[in-house]
Amino acid sequence: SYELTQPPSMSVSPGQTARITCSADTLPKQYAYWYQQKPGQAPVLVIFKDSQRPSGIPERFSGSSSGTTVALTINGVLAEDEADYYCQSADTSGAFVIFGGGTKLTV
Amino acid sequence: QVQLLQSGAEVKKPGASVKVSCKTSGYTFSTYYVHWVRQAPGQGLEWIGWMNPNTRAVNYAQDFQGRVLMTRETSTGTAYMTLSRLTFDDTAIYFCARDKGGLEVEGSLDSWGHGTLVTVSS
Repeated sequence: SYELTQPPSMSVSPGQTARITCSADTLPKQYAYWYQQKPGQAPVLVIFKDSQRPSGIPERFSGSSSGTTVALTINGVLAEDEADYYCQSADTSGAFVIFGGGTKLTV
Repeated sequence: QVQLLQSGAEVKKPGASVKVSCKTSGYTFSTYYVHWVRQAPGQGLEWIGWMNPNTRAVNYAQDFQGRVLMTRETSTGTAYMTLSRLTFDDTAIYFCARDKGGLEVEGSLDSWGHGTLVTVSS
């Protein structure tokens, strides 16, 4: 089955840069999306189509893609950025949505 | 503004079915796909499937095929997800979410409901 691989956890100090990666063989062919989820809340879309930022998402959030790996970068991390982050893409057919296992970011 | 309002928490016995509703507002219901995603306690996100509210076309994840049914009521802008033959492993928060792709499914979920807790308990 198709899987998206993320590190389970990451820790950064305020003001530093956090880079969360997501890997899968089909990522060169399918877009990736990133969601932020804080405890007790629904996920929030922070990056779509690899690198585009929805309106209202701070500029410190950016996305990139290189081969079989995509990355979410948060520049100048704030305490409020502490959350779980999920990457999402589609399988080889493009028909089925897949989520990565999530990365717990501790600030 | 776009809003998705979900029905309240449910407690079901193993083998039963549950129907969760998702009432939308702030946009034209028939022009955006609706996805359902669940999250077991302390676990990650799991995609269940999507529905095209205009054509009623559906696409279910393989793990749920034969057990899930996604429907809609266009007059009220409400989407429904029914999951049958419940087991303890189905205990989770169930979210509905709008696909920002409009008339084409993009897989980019830009608006989410608050979630509905479904507990399966004997």
